[in-house]
Amino acid sequence: DTGVSQDPRHKITKRGQNVTFRCDPISEHNRLYWYRQTLGQGPEFLTYFQNEAQLEKSRLLSDRFSAERPKGSFSTLEIQRTEQGDSAMYLCASRGQGANEQFFGPGTRLTVL
Amino acid sequence: QQQVKQSPQSLIVQKGGISIINCAYENTAFDYFPWYQQFPGKGPALLIAIRPDVSEKKEGRFTISFNKSAKQFSLHIMDSQPGDSATYFCAASLQGGSEKLVFGKGTKLTVNP
Repeated sequence: DTGVSQDPRHKITKRGQNVTFRCDPISEHNRLYWYRQTLGQGPEFLTYFQNEAQLEKSRLLSDRFSAERPKGSFSTLEIQRTEQGDSAMYLCASRGQGANEQFFGPGTRLTVL
Repeated sequence: QQQVKQSPQSLIVQKGGISIINCAYENTAFDYFPWYQQFPGKGPALLIAIRPDVSEKKEGRFTISFNKSAKQFSLHIMDSQPGDSATYFCAASLQGGSEKLVFGKGTKLTVNP
């Protein structure tokens, strides 16, 4: 049973560039979450998918952010025109149907120069 | 407005001692309370969780105590070990809907040998 995987683990980009992150949830987990974590803080919710449907988005998710889960399996999070304030750890979590537990991936560390 | 308040911000204990981390929540509709452990550069790992219909849950050296009337819950780590040195986060979620997690700001635990 493999856990949640994320790719890449680290991304350094220049301000104004677009970046895309991928999350592969635990197989058969139909619920998928994206969180953002800045230094010294707890993770903050960004968005939630049930299967392929994006059912909730945080107000933290500005127009520059978009997330997809086209086939209800892996998900992508894209940030357009990155800003220095986007520098953070982007975490993905998945949860099985009928279960409470959310399992997190290792995260993608984004640094915007 | 912080919905889950965690204290202390940092904690130093001696090997073999008891580590106690406290959390308080505001939303009485929260009904699932997990604790996560996070090592530097890693994603949060689920430690133990509790529902409000019980006052205590124990798993190995980890115990959650829950006080519904006070809207508080705490994590006790018995016989603390240097390998327990990490950042601990409490969280809460509502059943139904996305069941997104709302996290505290974290407690950095250091266990001295």
